Amino acid sequence: QKEVEQNSGPLSVPEGAIASLNCTYSDRGSQSFFWYRQYSGKSPELIMFIYSNGDKEDGRFTAQLNKASQYVSLLIRDSQPSDSATYLCAVMGSNDYKLSFGAGTTVTVRA
Amino acid sequence: GAGVSQSPSNKVTEKGKDVELRCDPISGHTALYWYRQSLGQGLEFLIYFQGNSAPDKSGLPSDRFSAERTGGSVSTLTIQRTQQEDSAVYLCASRGGSSYEQYFGPGTRLTVT
Repeated sequence: QKEVEQNSGPLSVPEGAIASLNCTYSDRGSQSFFWYRQYSGKSPELIMFIYSNGDKEDGRFTAQLNKASQYVSLLIRDSQPSDSATYLCAVMGSNDYKLSFGAGTTVTVRA
Repeated sequence: GAGVSQSPSNKVTEKGKDVELRCDPISGHTALYWYRQSLGQGLEFLIYFQGNSAPDKSGLPSDRFSAERTGGSVSTLTIQRTQQEDSAVYLCASRGGSSYEQYFGPGTRLTVT
């Protein structure tokens, strides 16, 4: 069983729509959760982090965390073509500081 | 401020040769990580440094891989007797002591021919 699983995608959304990305994790003791954006040929860029249950908003991005369900999501509102990228969910383990990554969801925003 | 830097950006080497990859973390970041990203395996953890010590080396795939960090700053990842399966992008990330967020460098693309 993979430690971090993401909806496989690819996800295609029209410009201006909401893109919804989901991630589940297996380590119930995990406390720290991250979303990275990765453009083709580039390295991952941290766009959101969340440590407490509930919602966290930053601009057009909202991260949602539900530790009881071991579920974290990312919403991208008013999607723009520049949001087209692969989004990686990452979870920090309960006993260490390393990140476990999901396989990523590729998002394409259609103009 | 300056982000994480890595060198070289690209490295092509022949099978059996040794390679050294360098990472310069964000100034003041005490924690440094090496990850590897390949098409078949996704992004996988290799090793973690806190200061100059490596409390977690669990991700190193074989004893051909080693890493060191000196002066609490620059780190070098060394791969001896490279194999074709070592071809990947090697990513370095750093983290400040009081936070959990990791910031990645641009990576080194290693190709073993």
